Amino acid sequence: DSGVTQTPKHLITATGQRVTLRCSPRSGDLSVYWYQQSLDQGLQFLIHYYNGEERAKGNILERFSAQQFPDLHSELNLSSLELGDSALYFCASSAGLAGSNEQFFGPGTRLTVL
Amino acid sequence: TQLLEQSPQFLSIQEGENLTVYCNSSSVFSSLQWYRQEPGEGPVLLVTVVTGGEVKKLKRLTFQFGDARKDSSLHITAAQPGDTGLYLCAGAPLYGNKLVFGAGTILRVKS
Repeated sequence: DSGVTQTPKHLITATGQRVTLRCSPRSGDLSVYWYQQSLDQGLQFLIHYYNGEERAKGNILERFSAQQFPDLHSELNLSSLELGDSALYFCASSAGLAGSNEQFFGPGTRLTVL
Repeated sequence: TQLLEQSPQFLSIQEGENLTVYCNSSSVFSSLQWYRQEPGEGPVLLVTVVTGGEVKKLKRLTFQFGDARKDSSLHITAAQPGDTGLYLCAGAPLYGNKLVFGAGTILRVKS
């Protein structure tokens, strides 16, 4: 158990809908990262937050947004969903600011868009 | 753009065999991490290597960081079915703020 929690575990929705994925980092970690993993793309970095502020963006679509709250939990919002958004979404956390620190991953949310 | 190339992409072996997974780049990394991921689960951090030439052992797993800190290897001795999974390497660039992940090696150990 990495100490990172993610909810929900599974999410099934329809195209055009909007969903919110939630992540709680390990106790004491200030950085939260979001990743998307699909069979053909591997693990893709989406976005990094540190203590409530956005620090780095990766391959995140404009339909996707994220935020980190004062209690350090984070939410990833996916809107106008398309079939191709079906994937595993992982949250990871680390202690420090540098995105290159050791990261500890949550169990993931499997999103299925029908 | 810094890239990490992992090889092989897929490995299917019998229980008891040895294997090596490679992670290579033309770029220097300040550290390199290895993760193992089981189907439907999140990657689990196995080890971090920091010093060029460093060797770390975790039971039957041996991790090595290249002298120039551009490559790394993971060697598994006497593989067991429980070793089955996706092995990912991730490098921390000297300059930059994001881990660079390799595409992964899918290992299947048959009993």
